[in-house]
Formats: sequence, C-alpha cells, structure tokens
Amino acid sequence: NAGVTQTPKFQVLKTGQSMTLQCAQDMNHEYMSWYRQDPGMGLRLIHYSVGAGITDQGEVPNGYNVSRSTTEDFPLRLLSAAPSQTSVYFCASSYFSGFGYTFGSGTRLTVV
Amino acid sequence: GQQLNQSPQSMFIQEGEDVSMNCTSSSIFNTWLWYKQDPGEGPVLLIALYKAGELTSNGRLTAQFGITRKDSFLNISASIPSDVGIYFCAGQLSTNRDDKIIFGKGTRLHILP
Repeated sequence: NAGVTQTPKFQVLKTGQSMTLQCAQDMNHEYMSWYRQDPGMGLRLIHYSVGAGITDQGEVPNGYNVSRSTTEDFPLRLLSAAPSQTSVYFCASSYFSGFGYTFGSGTRLTVV
Repeated sequence: GQQLNQSPQSMFIQEGEDVSMNCTSSSIFNTWLWYKQDPGEGPVLLIALYKAGELTSNGRLTAQFGITRKDSFLNISASIPSDVGIYFCAGQLSTNRDDKIIFGKGTRLHILP
C-alpha cells in the first residue's frame, strides 16, 4: 500500500516554464488537496477535490490549475512558473470529509 | 476568510518537560486535527477531534476540542527527543458549499540536550 505518491521530489524551473506535479493515491480516497508550504506561512490550500470530476479553489489558487479525471490522480499544473511559486508542495487525500488527510512526502520546487 | 492562530510559534524545552500549544479561530469548526511534521517529510495526523468538549489521547499526546468550537489545544507529556518537529493544528467546517481544511502556521518544538 503506497499511500500518497508525489512526483517529482525535486524540480528546478525557469521563469515562464510550465510543468505538472503528479499526485496519486491507492487508498480509494474521495477527497484530495494540494497545499504549498512556505517558511513561516504554514500550509496554504491551493485547490481541492471532493471526488472525480469535482474541483474547487482554495486560499491561493492563482497560477495553478487542477483536474480530477480519476479517483486516484490529482495533478497540479503550473501554467507559467514564477519565482513566487518556489515552495514545497504537498498533496493529501482523505477517505471522507473531516477524517483527516494523509499527506505525500512533498515536491520541492525552485523557480529561477 | 477563515484563519487559525497557533501559538506559540516556537518552543525550547528540556527533555522530560511537558508541552502545551493551542490554536484559536475566528470561525467555528466541526473538526479539529493535530499534525506533526518531521524535517523533509509531509505532516502526519496525530489526533482528530469531532465533538465540542472532546478530550482525546494518543500515547503521551492529549488534545481537546474547545467548547466554543473555536479553539483546541495539544499537550505532550514527558517530552523525548523524537518529539522534535513542527506541530500543526487544522480545522474543518464541512458544509454543502465548503469542505476545506485550514492549517495554522505551526509550532516548532526544540528539545535542549
């Protein structure tokens, strides 16, 4: 049972490049979310999904897109990377609302 | 929007001491969660609270869901070196329109040798 798997673990992008952060879970969880973690800022919600085909914005959605075509996968797309998007990104999933998320080990992204 | 105020931001304690940290909100939550994050890892769920007034333990950890539903605290008894890390509170208000989990900024726990 792999849990929540995030790829890549590390990534360096140039300003303006686009990329997709991958997230997959094998626990049949309906709820999935993306957070970014910056020093002193805690975890801030980017986008979340309550099931396949359903997504919604969190606190800091600008510059990011998501889609949820399957229960297992919830990719996060950076449309045009900016230095302000340098951060650690965490994907998380939960079986149902309020149960508490299981987190992946994170993707460390640097935009130069 | 909803905000969580977590305090203290950091703590320096001696091994064996008890630890207390808390989280307050301007909004009411239905669920309070406490997580711990080790360096280079994602947060791991420690305790989940679902009912106002609820007191729940997990080994040396005890957490309570405040009566007003706007606060929660976490206590760690007899701290040990592996307790070092960042502790996050999180709150969730599940409605038909909003199912988000909001996190505090964390309490960083240091244990002095």
